[in-house]
Amino acid sequence: NAGVTQTPKFRVLKTGQSMTLLCAQDMNHEYMYWYRQDPGMGLRLIHYSVGEGTTAKGEVPDGYNVSRLKKQNFLLGLESAAPSQTSVYFCASSLRHRRPYGYTFGSGTRLTVV
Amino acid sequence: SQELEQSPQSLIVQEGKNLTINCTSSKTLYGLYWYKQKYGEGLIFLMMLQKGGEEKSHEKITAKLDEKKQQSSLHITASQPSHAGIYLCGADFSQEYGNKLVFGAGTILRVKS
Repeated sequence: NAGVTQTPKFRVLKTGQSMTLLCAQDMNHEYMYWYRQDPGMGLRLIHYSVGEGTTAKGEVPDGYNVSRLKKQNFLLGLESAAPSQTSVYFCASSLRHRRPYGYTFGSGTRLTVV
Repeated sequence: SQELEQSPQSLIVQEGKNLTINCTSSKTLYGLYWYKQKYGEGLIFLMMLQKGGEEKSHEKITAKLDEKKQQSSLHITASQPSHAGIYLCGADFSQEYGNKLVFGAGTILRVKS
């Protein structure tokens, strides 16, 4: 089915390790977003992209990097993981004019940093 | 987000009862989106409201946006176990926030059989 696919679904990292989360969408959406979800804090925007080759910082960008070399993919990198980055990460995409459906979300990546 | 407050934070209701979740903004909303999330899954789009006074329904869920476009409510009639999950509202503040949605902290709904 068309949509947003996130890999991996689960991951456990040791402090200081690095990893990349992959987000792929097949809807030809221009905009893509990375959010983290923590209890009681809702979704907080990490980084986003308004088109291939462009990225921008969101609300909580520190400790993360992103790249969007292809329109359909948006990668989120953790260079040196910290326990504070334990969270559930969601990728989303949208059309330039996102109404009436807003964002399409992936199923999330549950990351634990020990 | 402090710009968007959801209440209550959590809710436990008996199956068959009605319930309401509120989403209040400190700014005028250009658009308001409601999503539902089941544990371990992504967010599923429910409804989008844009016009003051607008009301939309889908099955037993009704969402409203007030005339001033600063508050939305989500009402579930005759709740069922399938309604359990986390409900999030997402706000479009338009130009001030570029093209990003700002989300509330979510409301956890549990339905007792």
